[in-house]
Amino acid sequence: GAVVSQHPSWVICKSGTSVKIECRSLDFQATTMFWYRQFPKQSLMLMATSNEGSKATYEQGVEKDKFLINHASLTLSTLTVTSAHPEDSSFYICSAADRGPGNTIYFGEGSWLTVV
Amino acid sequence: QKEVEQDPGPLSVPEGAIVSLNCTYSNSAFQYFMWYRQYSRKGPELLMYTYSSGNKEDGRFTAQVDKSSKYISLFIRDSQPSDSATYLCAMSWNNNDMRFGAGTRLTVKP
Repeated sequence: GAVVSQHPSWVICKSGTSVKIECRSLDFQATTMFWYRQFPKQSLMLMATSNEGSKATYEQGVEKDKFLINHASLTLSTLTVTSAHPEDSSFYICSAADRGPGNTIYFGEGSWLTVV
Repeated sequence: QKEVEQDPGPLSVPEGAIVSLNCTYSNSAFQYFMWYRQYSRKGPELLMYTYSSGNKEDGRFTAQVDKSSKYISLFIRDSQPSDSATYLCAMSWNNNDMRFGAGTRLTVKP
């Protein structure tokens, strides 16, 4: 079946530094990818929708200058958390839309970010 | 009112029991309905995907959609300890923008 890969699966960084998370669709082309964050015991919160070759669409309340999203190819989207702070510590998950016969959305394994 | 309502539980059942998980929604534009299973510290895994009202069965899992009542269900037969996870309902009006329920934490005890 379709596979979406995220890297790194966990990262610890110092406050004030930037962290990049990659999301790849491994066996299909994804014109649209989504980025979510999830706090412990809470549901997924959509941060932004990433469209290949164009600017991402951010949800209300999400700082576009802090969470930089790049979707440079049909199989890769990246999320960069700039000047990370401890309150940015969270589980970040991407998903990718497979517009093939299955026409559904698959999730990556998630990336745990801890800012110390 | 939230667009998607799901009882977060927790729900605890003995092994072999039939589990019923439910979500209600308010947006009648939703056309696509999904159930995801999420193990602790992992990304959600797609379990069931339905488009129309009615039932869809896959092994021990049955997804049910009632658009007239804006109500969807996931049934798990012969539940196993390995089914212990958080189950998220999700729905979309264009198979692009998704709205998630809060997730129900299920524990199946041996």
